[in-house]
Amino acid sequence: AQSVSQHNHHVILSEAASLELGCNYSYGGTVNLFWYVQYPGQHLQLLLKYFSGDPLVKGIKGFEAEFIKSKFSFNLRKPSVQWSDTAEYFCAVNANQAGTALIFGKGTTLSVSS
Amino acid sequence: EAGVTQSPTHLIKTRGQQATLRCSPISGHTSVYWYQQALGLGLQFLLWYDEGEERNRGNFPPRFSGRQFPNYSSELNVNALELEDSALYLCASSLHRGPSTDTQYFGPGTRLTVL
Repeated sequence: AQSVSQHNHHVILSEAASLELGCNYSYGGTVNLFWYVQYPGQHLQLLLKYFSGDPLVKGIKGFEAEFIKSKFSFNLRKPSVQWSDTAEYFCAVNANQAGTALIFGKGTTLSVSS
Repeated sequence: EAGVTQSPTHLIKTRGQQATLRCSPISGHTSVYWYQQALGLGLQFLLWYDEGEERNRGNFPPRFSGRQFPNYSSELNVNALELEDSALYLCASSLHRGPSTDTQYFGPGTRLTVL
């Protein structure tokens, strides 16, 4: 069965610090990869996605993620975080078939202090 | 363009009752997905509807059911409510035109509380 692991449950950073959130998945076939973000009091929003092509994908608000197939990883990065990045971040995977369910990681809570 | 909408925002029920949650997808989207976000359990897939048919379901008992209407909106029904059904129920929609378009967009959720 597919599974997604997010290694960090809670990350605390100061503004301007760099961010990297880990995500590993277990599935042998072709996958689609996503990062979603849930800001306090808001609904789940798509941050970025990878379907194919360049393994370095750029998303909204300066976030990027790198797909490393050999490591089954899709880590999220941002060079300099802001207080407004405080949120919960979810990594998700589905098999490369249209309409299959997303398998989510448990989420990482990011707290940024100003 | 309007996003995914869900109603009601909050729902309070007692054990044994039935709950009905509603979802309207983004215009043009034919697939609707339901997820449960329970405390400590993360987001778990419940059901997937496309073109009016149930296409897949997650590891949930049969008392979780639903349907999709001709206008692609969807309903999730939870029968014989149990305390552990208390959770945020999220609906997502997608185009379902092939893998490269199958991005799911989420609604704000319905908070179900079972007393």
